[in-house]
Amino acid sequence: NAGVTQTPKFRVLKTGQSMTLLCAQDMNHEYMYWYRQDPGMGLRLIHYSVGEGTTAKGEVPDGYNVSRLKKQNFLLGLESAAPSQTSVYFCASSYSTPRKYFGPGTRLTVT
Amino acid sequence: GNSVTQMEGPVTLSEEAFLTINCTYTATGYPSLFWYVQYPGEGLQLLLKATKADDKGSNKGFEATYRKETTSFHLEKGSVQVSDSAVYFCALSDRDDYKLSFGAGTTVTVRA
Repeated sequence: NAGVTQTPKFRVLKTGQSMTLLCAQDMNHEYMYWYRQDPGMGLRLIHYSVGEGTTAKGEVPDGYNVSRLKKQNFLLGLESAAPSQTSVYFCASSYSTPRKYFGPGTRLTVT
Repeated sequence: GNSVTQMEGPVTLSEEAFLTINCTYTATGYPSLFWYVQYPGEGLQLLLKATKADDKGSNKGFEATYRKETTSFHLEKGSVQVSDSAVYFCALSDRDDYKLSFGAGTTVTVRA
């Protein structure tokens, strides 16, 4: 039982490049979330999904897109990376309860 | 909207010292409250939770009591260890909404 996994662990992008972060969970959770963590700001919700094929915006969705084609996967896309998107990205999943299970994070640097 | 305010760090302590991290919140209704911990290089893990007023969450020697009258959920541990060095996040969730609102996090370093 791997829990929540994230790919890749680290990435460096140049401004304007695109990339996709992959989150996978093997707990059959309905809900999945993408957060970003910045110093002094805690975690902020980017997008979330309440089930396969559904997505919704969180607090800071601009510049990101997501897809949930399969229940176990939640993809976060950056179409044109900007230095302001330098951050640590965490995926989380849950049942229909507030408790979240977090992945190990992806550290992204945009130069 | 919901918000969580944590005491600012960083906090540096000696082993066996008493730790308190203050957390206050603003929310409509009756939220559930959480403390998450992030050890170096890892994701967040749930440390403890409380779902209604006067509940006490506890785990690994840490405790926090849900105080509705003061809208607080302070984290305490009586005797910290080096292995408690981590970032601690206070968070809340509305009962009808499973999104979490996080505080800014408090970095705790325990020295031997």
